[in-house]
Amino acid sequence: DVKVTQSSRYLVKRTGEKVFLECVQDMDHENMFWYRQDPGLGLRLIYFSYDVKMKEKGDIPEGYSVSREKKERFSLILESASTNQTSMYLCASSFASGRGEQYFGPGTRLTVT
Amino acid sequence: AQKITQTQPGMFVQEKEAVTLDCTYDTSDPSYGLFWYKQPSSGEMIFLIYQGSYDQQNATEGRYSLNFQKARKSANLVISASQLGDSAMYFCAMREVNTGGFKTIFGAGTRLFVKA
Repeated sequence: DVKVTQSSRYLVKRTGEKVFLECVQDMDHENMFWYRQDPGLGLRLIYFSYDVKMKEKGDIPEGYSVSREKKERFSLILESASTNQTSMYLCASSFASGRGEQYFGPGTRLTVT
Repeated sequence: AQKITQTQPGMFVQEKEAVTLDCTYDTSDPSYGLFWYKQPSSGEMIFLIYQGSYDQQNATEGRYSLNFQKARKSANLVISASQLGDSAMYFCAMREVNTGGFKTIFGAGTRLFVKA
């Protein structure tokens, strides 16, 4: 079974703090994704990576950065957390070929106060 | 314009009955894939079923089937014989192979409640 794990299920941070969210997958997937999920808006893509050290902006990259130093690990960084970044963050991975279905981690619910 | 539209924010169904969750999409890419995902209250999104734009037959996976009407640009999910464990959020999603690369676009979701 594909396993995608995220470093925290719940996180509370203060405004202005630097926040790291980590994601690890064990299926040798080339692609990895970070989404945020807000009620009524579905999932919105923040960044994705199709290879080590490669990244592309998604639909809402402002205020976020990412890092992929190893194939299995994809980190999302909030340089200076703000209250409007309070959300559920979902990491996913997929193969570069084939149908492209994504496998998701359990999510991190981040609250910025 | 919204590329994936799910018009039903919430749906109720009686246990053991069938339910259809609606999804319409918009794309000019002739090559695309359509997905449905389930998100239980635990939060983890689970891939359910896939339909490719060139697939001639509707996709089926166990109790899930996808009613694919290409001309109408609709990809409704049908769950047969609903179970209490089917209560969850359901998301329709699309990948535009030529124009979108690896990106997948998600709809806003439909919350399904299964009544005993």
